[in-house]
Amino acid sequence: GEDVEQSLFLSVREGDSSVINCTYTDSSSTYLYWYKQEPGAGLQLLTYIFSNMDMKQDQRLTVLLNKKDKHLSLRIADTQTGDSAIYFCAEKWSTDKLIFGTGTRLQVFP
Amino acid sequence: GAVVSQHPSRVICKSGTSVKIECRSLDFQATTMFWYRQFPKQSLMLMATSNEGSKATYEQGVEKDKFLINHASLTLSTLTVTSAHPEDSSFYICSAIRDRDYEQYFGPGTRLTVT
Repeated sequence: GEDVEQSLFLSVREGDSSVINCTYTDSSSTYLYWYKQEPGAGLQLLTYIFSNMDMKQDQRLTVLLNKKDKHLSLRIADTQTGDSAIYFCAEKWSTDKLIFGTGTRLQVFP
Repeated sequence: GAVVSQHPSRVICKSGTSVKIECRSLDFQATTMFWYRQFPKQSLMLMATSNEGSKATYEQGVEKDKFLINHASLTLSTLTVTSAHPEDSSFYICSAIRDRDYEQYFGPGTRLTVT
């Protein structure tokens, strides 16, 4: 299947942690990605995780992967107003094409 | 770093006309590029896979005669929206797979408005 699901909206206070969740359906995906998109702009690759890993940390970002449940999450520590954007998870198929999630709009308020 | 450009960034055209969007990998070669479209407040939907020197592979439901793709060189793919209609108005994003390590890089997108 090609459905990659995300919750639509997340609102957090500045300084708190944000956790964005993603559920995918293709267990054969090799890589899973997180992208950020600001209004009217293209995609910015934030981080990615190989399918045989459970966790990856990159500065304020932590990715957790539960292959059994096909669940991926992105935690942003010390969330800032500049983190407000839409976040997409994506799974990479063997043909190199990416299937994107539905997107989560993160709003950070002071 | 690897840069992918798109031209134009914004285009407005009249219904019934055709418009061409270019996707260039500026500092690397890309045998494979992808074209996506994104409707407002929605996710990216893959339209087609563009391969240098061969015909594009279209996703189910995408009309190949309407969305013409030409991958004429290892650094350029073009998407032509033929006989555009208002429902073709969307944000079109390309990506390129760098040949030497298969990393994927996205262009900044092209906003097409058909009046």
